[in-house]
Amino acid sequence: DAGVTQSPTHLIKTRGQQVTLRCSPKSGHDTVSWYQQALGQGPQFIFQYYEEEERQRGNFPDRFSGHQFPNYSSELNVNALLLGDSALYLCASSLWDTEAFFGQGTRLTVV
Amino acid sequence: AQSVTQPDIHITVSEGASLELRCNYSYGATPYLFWYVQSPGQGLQLLLKYFSGDTLVQGIKGFEAEFKRSQSSFNLRKPSVHWSDAAEYFCAGSQGNLIFGKGTKLSVKP
Repeated sequence: DAGVTQSPTHLIKTRGQQVTLRCSPKSGHDTVSWYQQALGQGPQFIFQYYEEEERQRGNFPDRFSGHQFPNYSSELNVNALLLGDSALYLCASSLWDTEAFFGQGTRLTVV
Repeated sequence: AQSVTQPDIHITVSEGASLELRCNYSYGATPYLFWYVQSPGQGLQLLLKYFSGDTLVQGIKGFEAEFKRSQSSFNLRKPSVHWSDAAEYFCAGSQGNLIFGKGTKLSVKP
């Protein structure tokens, strides 16, 4: 079992650009959640997807959007990037509300 | 508002000494509770979880945690710390999505 996999591992974008991050959940998991972790902080919940629908959303602007595919994989899209969007983006998968397993994250740097 | 608090930002212990990391939660009802560990630049690894039942839960790597409803606490303990335990530790609560504390950085002195 490969666990939760995220791609890419690192990327650098320019302010105003758009970015797409990808996540494949752990085998057997049907729920994917995304978190933003700024340097020196705990992860902050962005949103959660279940059955291809956004089930819950944290306090993030509409520039942050997502999608879940029929195979349960997920994408996080961020439009009009700001310098403050620089962070480690973590994907977590779970089977409904059981414990979440995290990927290694995508380090996004906005310059 | 729901919240998780880790009062200690940084703790240093000597190798072989015991460890206790503090965590308090504020929820309307008792949430599921978790401890995760994170090495620099890495994702989060689940150490242990509490859903219900026995208030002393055992986890991986020799860690345990005790749930105390009266104190709204879920403190993490380890009897003897190893140098490889140096990392950032996060407590989290969940009623659907995880709410994390700000983390406690553990340093281990030789």
